[in-house]
Amino acid sequence: GENVEQHPSTLSVQEGDSAVIKCTYSDSASNYFPWYKQELGKRPQLIIDIRSNVGEKKDQRIAVTLNKTAKHFSLHITETQPEDSAVYFCAASISNNAGNMLTFGGGTRLMVKP
Amino acid sequence: KAGVTQTPRYLIKTRGQQVTLSCSPISGHRSVSWYQQTPGQGLQFLFEYFSETQRNKGNFPGRFSGRQFSNSRSEMNVSTLELGDSALYLCASSYLAGGNTGELFFGEGSRLTVL
Repeated sequence: GENVEQHPSTLSVQEGDSAVIKCTYSDSASNYFPWYKQELGKRPQLIIDIRSNVGEKKDQRIAVTLNKTAKHFSLHITETQPEDSAVYFCAASISNNAGNMLTFGGGTRLMVKP
Repeated sequence: KAGVTQTPRYLIKTRGQQVTLSCSPISGHRSVSWYQQTPGQGLQFLFEYFSETQRNKGNFPGRFSGRQFSNSRSEMNVSTLELGDSALYLCASSYLAGGNTGELFFGEGSRLTVL
């Protein structure tokens, strides 16, 4: 089955700096890669996703890049703010009629220091 | 629109007991999946239901089971509880269109403690 590895497990940055979180996946058939943000004590929420037919997607301060050949994808957060502090999870899945099954990475705890 | 609702939010059980958790998806969402979240293992997929059928199952023992009703509400059951079953159990619903995996909308979870 699919295996997703995520690094680093913790990341501390100064407010205004950029943060990068990297994930690798094992199943070359995976074609859908979402990122979820989980604030302390709250539910995970989707912040951005990318499908394998594109290499990069941006939404304001957040961007995701995908390298299918190397089987890795990354989350980039620019101009970080204290409210970006949370645990971020990457995930991978095969998007088809077989259903909705995500394999998550282990998570990255991002701390943005004011 | 109401979000995904999970009950109970917190529960304490002892080893050997069984537990049933309930999940009501967002109206119109027919896919319901369950995840186990623990500090050491992160988010692990348990199973997914769509139109009352289990379509996918993760690598969990047979003590973990689930079902979905005709109104898309889902339940999961864990029998013969073990200490290691202590975790936050998250339910997520999704509106699938054209076979594409869609955004998961998570509930707040049911926190199970096994003593």
